[in-house]
Amino acid sequence: DAGVTQSPTHLIKTRGQQVTLRCSPKSGHDTVSWYQQALGQGPQFIFQYYEEEERQRGNFPDRFSGHQFPNYSSELNVNALLLGDSALYLCASSLGTGVSLVFGQGTRLTVV
Amino acid sequence: GESVGLHLPTLSVQEGDNSIINCAYSNSASDYFIWYKQESGKGPQFIIDIRSNMDKRQGQRVTVLLNKTVKHLSLQIAATQPGDSAVYFCAERYNFNKFYFGSGTKLNVKP
Repeated sequence: DAGVTQSPTHLIKTRGQQVTLRCSPKSGHDTVSWYQQALGQGPQFIFQYYEEEERQRGNFPDRFSGHQFPNYSSELNVNALLLGDSALYLCASSLGTGVSLVFGQGTRLTVV
Repeated sequence: GESVGLHLPTLSVQEGDNSIINCAYSNSASDYFIWYKQESGKGPQFIIDIRSNMDKRQGQRVTVLLNKTVKHLSLQIAATQPGDSAVYFCAERYNFNKFYFGSGTKLNVKP
């Protein structure tokens, strides 16, 4: 079982650009959540997808959007990148409303 | 949203000793509290959870205690090993499926 897979592992973007991050959930999981983790901080909830719809959202601007596909994989899109968007972006999967989240290794985004 | 905080940013213990990591939470409506372990360069790993109607739950070498009166959560690790060195996060779930994480405690295990 491959667990949660995220791509790419590292990414460097310029301010104002757009970025797309990808996530494949653990086999058997149907719910995907995205988190932003700044250096030295805990993960901050961005949003959660279930049945291809955004079910919950944290305190993030509309520049952050996402999508879930029929095979449960997901994308996180960030538009008009700011320097402050530099962080580790984590994807977590679960089965329904389970509390046992399985995290991927993350995508390290650097905005210059 | 509500926040989850931790009392100590860094904890150093001797190998073989017991470790206690503390966490304060503020949202009384949270239905689950969870502990995660994050090693360098990796995503957080689920350790143990406790439902809000419980006050203690035990796992393998770990025990989680919940005190709702003072909104306090703790993780006890028995016979701490070098492999336990990591950052530990407490998290709470509310609004059906929103998770909020604290800022973390770094555990250093000295040989």
